[in-house]
Amino acid sequence: QVLLVESGGAVVQPGKSLRLSCTASGFTFTNYAVHWVRQAPGKGLEWLAKISFDGSNKYYADSVKGRFTISRDDSKNTLYLQLNSLRPEDTAVYFCARVGTTAKNVEYFLYWGQGTLVTVSS
Amino acid sequence: EIVMTQSPALLSLSPGERVTLSCGASQSLSNSNLAWYQQKPGLAPRLLIYDSSTRATGIPDRFSGGRSGTDFTLTVSRLEPEDFAVYYCQQYGTSPITFGQGTRLEIK
Repeated sequence: QVLLVESGGAVVQPGKSLRLSCTASGFTFTNYAVHWVRQAPGKGLEWLAKISFDGSNKYYADSVKGRFTISRDDSKNTLYLQLNSLRPEDTAVYFCARVGTTAKNVEYFLYWGQGTLVTVSS
Repeated sequence: EIVMTQSPALLSLSPGERVTLSCGASQSLSNSNLAWYQQKPGLAPRLLIYDSSTRATGIPDRFSGGRSGTDFTLTVSRLEPEDFAVYYCQQYGTSPITFGQGTRLEIK
């Protein structure tokens, strides 16, 4: 079955960096675009970033553009999110999510990881 | 960006009742590219509906999605105890992807 497992969440100080990972299994990783979505405590869902199936295209929400970087290592079936210059408002559970179809730009999220918590606090 | 507005923020209902949740888009969506998710505390969201009205695999037929212009609905025909959760809509027709702020469905 399809599994997405995030890791790397931690408590970090403002201004520091962190790298999140999302290891995928149960499907052909290179066939699908994958995304990061976050949820601040008690709040709604916020889309952050997308990387295309082949890694050639990357897209970001304005709120994280220039600070966060999405990447993928297809040899490890792993998606990454590099978080730099962290702010208290970046405190959230970070989910990786896989789209439901290989069709281009059809981006509803059929599979989600369990999430990893990032807390930014001094 | 397209702003998705869900209403109401909170609904208190009883099992067995019928409910319709609303989600309005600030602009027209391409190809009815709207999804609905259910989220329970401590868990990841679960896809219920995509393309405005197509049920995801394994989703009971008491869940249905509709569209009228830029207004979208999620209807649960007869609430079961496990349906009490938070529901989010998401548009994926125009970048950036955006979510509604959620509707919490609680047991009355």
